Amino acid sequence: AQSVAQPEDQVNVAEGNPLTVKCTYSVSGNPYLFWYVQYPNRGLQFLLKYITGDNLVKGSYGFEAEFNKSQTSFHLKKPSALVSDSALYFCAVRDANNAGNMLTFGGGTRLMVKP
Amino acid sequence: KAGVTQTPRYLIKTRGQQVTLSCSPISGHRSVSWYQQTPGQGLQFLFEYFSETQRNKGNFPGRFSGRQFSNSRSEMNVSTLELGDSALYLCASSLPRDSGNTIYFGEGSWLTVV
Repeated sequence: AQSVAQPEDQVNVAEGNPLTVKCTYSVSGNPYLFWYVQYPNRGLQFLLKYITGDNLVKGSYGFEAEFNKSQTSFHLKKPSALVSDSALYFCAVRDANNAGNMLTFGGGTRLMVKP
Repeated sequence: KAGVTQTPRYLIKTRGQQVTLSCSPISGHRSVSWYQQTPGQGLQFLFEYFSETQRNKGNFPGRFSGRQFSNSRSEMNVSTLELGDSALYLCASSLPRDSGNTIYFGEGSWLTVV
């Protein structure tokens, strides 16, 4: 079984400050890890993924995430937050050893960036 | 390149009715998955289809079913609707499984059961 935990329901940050959205995962095999963002009344938009290789992954809109195998974490980061980054963020995991494309999602973290 | 297209975007149904939702994947994508999103349960995997065959299934009752056509388009059906089926239903598509293909989502179909 695989699972994802996003320990913070909401993260508040001032515009221009760095932001971190936390994610930890559990999977029996090797993990494929993803971050998605959801704006109000919209679907999920892909931000970035970790498959293998460099632990620091860079994605869309200046976001990046760091894979930490020992801590089973994949935290999302951005050096300087924008008000337009305010949205719902989801971390997801897929077991690389299993056939298929089934994602298990965390509960989501609402990011609020204040001017 | 067009994204994942879902229809209808919004619909209202009455308890006991059935509903069919449609999904057109990104061109060339042969894997199609469906997810249910609710405030209480979050995002939950329903099922995945690849080459017209169901490859994975989530923990949902048999009232939830799906199929995939030869052109990779997919439909999901929910029979005997219950109030708790009110949700955003998201379709996702991806290339055949390889070393970490990205899974792309559509805008979703908002289902309200009254």
